[in-house]
Amino acid sequence: ETVLTQSPDFQAVTPNEKVTITCRASQSIGTSLHWYQQKRDQSPKLLIKYASQSMSGVPSRFSGSGSGTDFTLTISSLEAEDAAAYYCHQTGSLPYTFGQGTKLEIK
Amino acid sequence: EVQLVESGGGLVQPGGSLRLSCGASGFTFSTYGMSWVRQAPGKGLEWVSSISNSDDSTYYGDSVKGRFTISRDHSKNTLYLQMNSLRAEDTALYYCAMNQWDLLQWGQGTLVTVSS
Repeated sequence: ETVLTQSPDFQAVTPNEKVTITCRASQSIGTSLHWYQQKRDQSPKLLIKYASQSMSGVPSRFSGSGSGTDFTLTISSLEAEDAAAYYCHQTGSLPYTFGQGTKLEIK
Repeated sequence: EVQLVESGGGLVQPGGSLRLSCGASGFTFSTYGMSWVRQAPGKGLEWVSSISNSDDSTYYGDSVKGRFTISRDHSKNTLYLQMNSLRAEDTALYYCAMNQWDLLQWGQGTLVTVSS
């Protein structure tokens, strides 16, 4: 099983700050890595697919990068509405797996 | 507009069975794979199962393999998850999602509680 380890688990961030969330895979998965945002009491929403492809309607401040085992989700300038949990998800090898999540809180 | 509506959740005793349904609309159901993902209360996301769009091949997470069965009815635009031999650790909100890989849209979920 491919284990995804996200860091940090939790971060309290000031608006307009740059945020970087990393996701490390226990084995190479190419670019089969996707990022989701889950706001409180809502269903998850796909932000980035295949490591770096932004979904339509997602603000441009969200970007993804990486390949192989190391991936990054970057929020260039945090806004209050970005308070949420963020999950990476790999579909490069079965069974598919999710990272444990990163919770962003606004200071 | 894509809509995914889950149903069938509820309270079930350990060892019992339940069948979840997910009604799909707003897209061509037969051309997309579909998935189930669950989230235990206060916890993270766990991939449960997926079914392909091409030949209805099925895939399962290790924790449910042999107990859960995913299927779909193309004529009804509906996805199913048959859950047998349920355990307390299966208690979760179960989401259906559009696609096998990048999960493009998600439903609101249906809650399954396994308890005596």
